Amino acid sequence: DVKVTQSSRYLVKRTGEKVFLECVQDMDHENMFWYRQDPGLGLRLIYFSYDVKMKEKGDIPEGYSVSREKKERFSLILESASTNQTSMYLCASRGGFTGELFFGEGSRLTVL
Amino acid sequence: QKEVEQDPGPLSVPEGAIVSLNCTYSNSAFQYFMWYRQYSRKGPELLMYTYSSGNKEDGRFTAQVDKSSKYISLFIRDSQPSDSATYLCAMRYGGATNKLIFGTGTLLAVQP
Repeated sequence: DVKVTQSSRYLVKRTGEKVFLECVQDMDHENMFWYRQDPGLGLRLIYFSYDVKMKEKGDIPEGYSVSREKKERFSLILESASTNQTSMYLCASRGGFTGELFFGEGSRLTVL
Repeated sequence: QKEVEQDPGPLSVPEGAIVSLNCTYSNSAFQYFMWYRQYSRKGPELLMYTYSSGNKEDGRFTAQVDKSSKYISLFIRDSQPSDSATYLCAMRYGGATNKLIFGTGTLLAVQP
């Protein structure tokens, strides 16, 4: 089974702190994604990556950056956390003949 | 207007009921249609996948796509309390694009 592992399930940070969210997949997928999920807004794409060291902005990249140094690992970085970045963050990798997304269990971030 | 519209619910039904979940969309270029199920505090998982128009059945679940009306449905027969979850529709264009457009999700509660 494909496994997408997000390192932290719950985080509490203060405004202005730098936050790292890490994601690892074990199926050698080339494509990886970061979404945030908010009530009433659904899933919104922050960034995605086609391959190592490649990244593309999604719909809401402002305030975020990403890093993909190894194929299996895709990190989301909040350079200076703000309260409006309090959310559920979901990492996904894409594979299979359907091109389906395989999601991690999510990282719930609270910024105080 | 959002590209994909989905009634957020919540939808509450008794055990054994037939459930109908729906999404409408505006872009006729969508070709791949998916339904994801998301349990509370978990990441979404792919439930059904359909290419173009038609029906697809998998056990108690039936996915239906009507491209002429830009309308997709998920039917759940003999609903169980374990079906209680948020159901997200998703769709994408064909070709090499990676972008999956999600509905906001419908929260379903099946009462025993």
